[in-house]
Amino acid sequence: RKEVEQDPGPFNVPEGATVAFNCTYSNSASQSFFWYRQDCRKEPKLLMSVYSSGNEDGRFTAQLNRASQYISLLIRDSKLSDSATYLCGMDSSYKLIFGSGTRLLVRP
Amino acid sequence: DGGITQSPKYLFRKEGQNVTLSCEQNLNHDAMYWYRQDPGQGLRLIYYSQIVNDFQKGDIAEGYSVSREKKESFPLTVTSAQKNPTAFYLCASSIRGSYNEQFFGPGTRLTVL
Repeated sequence: RKEVEQDPGPFNVPEGATVAFNCTYSNSASQSFFWYRQDCRKEPKLLMSVYSSGNEDGRFTAQLNRASQYISLLIRDSKLSDSATYLCGMDSSYKLIFGSGTRLLVRP
Repeated sequence: DGGITQSPKYLFRKEGQNVTLSCEQNLNHDAMYWYRQDPGQGLRLIYYSQIVNDFQKGDIAEGYSVSREKKESFPLTVTSAQKNPTAFYLCASSIRGSYNEQFFGPGTRLTVL
């Protein structure tokens, strides 16, 4: 089993839709969790950290479920500009490990 | 402006040649990382360094080498021993320790001709 798994998608949604991605992990000792956004042929950019109590930033909400070992990212009122690949990352033995990413396509 | 710079943006190399990718940061971060990303795939860790003059192999270190002589700099050499070097190479840095978020440079796209 991979340490971090994400559904590759693509998730194809209309503008204004609400969409959610999950990222499952196997290392129960992980303490820090992150969501990154990566545009085509660009570097990943930090979207938000995921705290135990959850984290909200505008239209974006991140949650951590330790019991089931997954983190989630919810995007409300999707914009065309949200189209990108979303990578999850978490700490594992003095480094971060990343999922392969979930691709989101927002259509007009 | 604080940030991470990588150069060159695009690099072409002939088979059998070594090539060095530059990574510089002025964020005063202790830790630096090198990743490789292949089309449609995630990030795979090549090498990382938590402090000057010390570095560790990541998951795919074979065919690569690094040095960390200065806090600001973490160059990656892709040697001729790397069988499939064509990829997108990303450098990242963070405050020391794995609990902290990493920030990425713009990447170098290496193509072997």
